[in-house]
Amino acid sequence: QVQLVQSGAEVKKPGSSVKVSCKSSGGTFSTTTISWVRQAPGQGLEWMGGIIPLFRTSHYAQKLQGRLTITADESTRTAYMELSSLTSGDTALYYCASGASSKDWGQGTLVTVSS
Amino acid sequence: EIVMTQSPATLSVSPGEGVTLSCRASQSVNNNLAWFQQKPGQAPRLLIYDASSRASGVSDRFSGSGSGTEFTLTISSLQSEDFAVYYCQQYNNWLRTFGQGTRVEIK
Repeated sequence: QVQLVQSGAEVKKPGSSVKVSCKSSGGTFSTTTISWVRQAPGQGLEWMGGIIPLFRTSHYAQKLQGRLTITADESTRTAYMELSSLTSGDTALYYCASGASSKDWGQGTLVTVSS
Repeated sequence: EIVMTQSPATLSVSPGEGVTLSCRASQSVNNNLAWFQQKPGQAPRLLIYDASSRASGVSDRFSGSGSGTEFTLTISSLQSEDFAVYYCQQYNNWLRTFGQGTRVEIK
């Protein structure tokens, strides 16, 4: 069984960047799809992007291209999501999920963007 | 980008009744379709993958069907723990997209 543990909540100023980590245990990390999904308060789920650690090529939703960087470190079984040029519209709960069909999910990381 | 459209937005149902939720894709996603359940304060939970395969530990009251552009999630005999929001997601290519969700509420 895969377990995903994410880093803690963040409060950021507009214009700054945030980096959230997602550490995986159990299962196979290197060849598993890791996706990042966010959920603004009271809203639905938004797929942000993903990576297969072994291949190191990240894929991003069009609306986040240029601001989003997803990486993975096979040695520590940890994936990262970095979002730059933050605005209040980026305030959300950010999740990582593992597997092609996102079978396993992290607990979520609340990112609040406020001046 | 493939647009996923779920209907209806909200379903009001009495416990014990069955329901069918719909999800339509703007272009074919083959059978690369998942259904998730989300309760308040919780991460989404995978129910169905590959359009019709139940995830481990999921009750057989949940069943998925469809392929191409039309998909359904059927919940038979709703239990109290089934009242939640349900999302479909296509993973036919890397640019994955979710539907906007269907809220199943107690009537």
